[in-house]
Amino acid sequence: GAGVSQTPSNKVTEKGKYVELRCDPISGHTALYWYRQSLGQGPEFLIYFQGTGAADDSGLPNDRFFAVRPEGSVSTLKIQRTERGDSAVYLCASSLNRNPTYGYTFGSGTRLTVV
Amino acid sequence: KQEVTQIPAALSVPEGENLVLNCSFTDSAIYNLQWFRQDPGKGLTSLLLIQSSQREQTSGRLNASLDKSSGRSTLYIAASQPGDSATYLCAVPNAGNMLTFGGGTRLMVKP
Repeated sequence: GAGVSQTPSNKVTEKGKYVELRCDPISGHTALYWYRQSLGQGPEFLIYFQGTGAADDSGLPNDRFFAVRPEGSVSTLKIQRTERGDSAVYLCASSLNRNPTYGYTFGSGTRLTVV
Repeated sequence: KQEVTQIPAALSVPEGENLVLNCSFTDSAIYNLQWFRQDPGKGLTSLLLIQSSQREQTSGRLNASLDKSSGRSTLYIAASQPGDSATYLCAVPNAGNMLTFGGGTRLMVKP
């Protein structure tokens, strides 16, 4: 597509529930990144995919967080047993590849609220 | 570990003023530096990307400079307009192209 698409744009869930956040990157971009942004702060890295594999998941806060990209395009970030501290904006971005000379294109984000 | 700092955290100016936003980073061995704009409740829009070999980039009323040796970048906005009101973020990538962001500068341009 023309840009990075994230769905849903907003998600309200109860504490303890499971949620899935979807990211559809720019066609042809092999690198896909997930970031989390808390209120008033800059985004923080969560996980990076090169193709289908998670090349770096060092930013995932704990084992309740998991992400997949089974066909090397769309990615899903999954959060189990949600906690109120998980409330944030989850941003997805794609890049042509992992070469740092290439810039990013971000999606509009999913605002997750855990009540 | 790379750390990125943005000063000021917030800025309010009257319309028409020229202004400078600052970004500093601790590890000068960067590949590039990217400036983003974020409107409330929205994602990030890329404004300018300066490669490590470049000194500055310009787009319309925006000019970004990069001084690797001193670990600094500035975003200059000329003739500010109310529509420029947003949060401005700078970020630098590591070798795997994972970005480290500053905390952002929240800009308010008053009519």
